[in-house]
Amino acid sequence: AQSVTQLGSHVSVSEGALVLLRCNYSSSVPPYLFWYVQYPNQGLQLLLKYTSAATLVKGINGFEAEFKKSETSFHLTKPSAHMSDAAEYFCAVRPPSQKLVFGQGTRLTINP
Amino acid sequence: EPEVTQTPSHQVTQMGQEVILRCVPISNHLYFYWYRQILGQKVEFLVSFYNNEISEKSEIFDDQFSVERPDGSNFTLKIRSTKLEDSAMYFCASSGGAGAETQYFGPGTRLLVL
Repeated sequence: AQSVTQLGSHVSVSEGALVLLRCNYSSSVPPYLFWYVQYPNQGLQLLLKYTSAATLVKGINGFEAEFKKSETSFHLTKPSAHMSDAAEYFCAVRPPSQKLVFGQGTRLTINP
Repeated sequence: EPEVTQTPSHQVTQMGQEVILRCVPISNHLYFYWYRQILGQKVEFLVSFYNNEISEKSEIFDDQFSVERPDGSNFTLKIRSTKLEDSAMYFCASSGGAGAETQYFGPGTRLLVL
């Protein structure tokens, strides 16, 4: 069965610093992979997705993620954190079915 | 930009009562979903709905749950007899297709069962 592991339930970085949120997946077939962001009291918003085209995927708000099959990873990065990036981030995999399987989420805090 | 809407935003109910959570998916979408997130836990898939029938459901989606698309625009989740452990945030989502198609999520309904 497909699953997703996000390393670190909380990540704290300084404003302007690199953001790195880790996601590893298990899948028996090439997966579709997604990163969603959830701001306080809001729903889930798609940041980016991997669909077997380019392995480096660019998303909204300056985020990007790289699909590495050999490492079964899909880590999310942003070169320079902004205060508005504070939110919860979810990695998800879509197996050959219709559902999304989510990781447990990483809460990102930005320090001034 | 089109968006998924959900009502109510919050609902408090007594254990054993029936609740209906409502969603209006994006108008030209064909696939509809319900997920839930118990406080502090993962977002979990409940059910997907396509062509007026359930296409996939999780083990959470037992006989207490049902879904319906009553009028071509709304998509509802009914919990027949709520339990304390049904307290969670319930998210509706829709997509234009399957596979790599993006699922667009609503803002959620926070359900509290007392």
